[in-house]
Amino acid sequence: DTAVSQTPKYLVTQMGNDKSIKCEQNLGHDTMYWYKQDSKKFLKIMFSYNNKELIINETVPNRFSPKSPDKAHLNLHINSLELGDSAVYFCASSDRGGTEAFFGQGTRLTVV
Amino acid sequence: GEDVEQSLFLSVREGDSSVINCTYTDSSSTYLYWYKQEPGAGLQLLTYIFSNMDMKQDQRLTVLLNKKDKHLSLRIADTQTGDSAIYFCAAPGAGSYQLTFGKGTKLSVIP
Repeated sequence: DTAVSQTPKYLVTQMGNDKSIKCEQNLGHDTMYWYKQDSKKFLKIMFSYNNKELIINETVPNRFSPKSPDKAHLNLHINSLELGDSAVYFCASSDRGGTEAFFGQGTRLTVV
Repeated sequence: GEDVEQSLFLSVREGDSSVINCTYTDSSSTYLYWYKQEPGAGLQLLTYIFSNMDMKQDQRLTVLLNKKDKHLSLRIADTQTGDSAIYFCAAPGAGSYQLTFGKGTKLSVIP
């Protein structure tokens, strides 16, 4: 069974559209994250969500919003997509001890 | 917050040892991690070391931790072409669930 799964794996969309990326974890973890990996492979934390507490990286535009319908899911919504949003987005989860994070396979978003 | 630095590129010949270095700033980090990203794939936890250890060996991998200098290294013995990937060093900041990643070291193995 996949521990952390994201869908879709690839997403191509036009500028100005609104899109969502879904993430699910079956590890029973209580903390989930979204990371952005840019074209140079640099990874940046975007959000962490733990027991209804959301921690936001202040550099993330407010067009990005995480939504957690339950503890096993943290979806990423992006409004008014821009060319610079093109990147690979990784979802991850960890337990409260945070000893390690498990990552999804990533979603390659291309904005045209 | 935590800051993690690593060199961006490393090129080695097949069969040689590879050493990837990393420095971090937050001395309260309890665990330090190495992740591997193969082309087109997600991040995979390769190994980790608890901060009260100075060495951990796992088959061809050796992690060395110098807590005083806040320096972490990953040594891969007998490097193979399948080891070609980007290796990320990661550390959690104090009181933080989040991992701060280095920019990744791209390891290229020359046959």
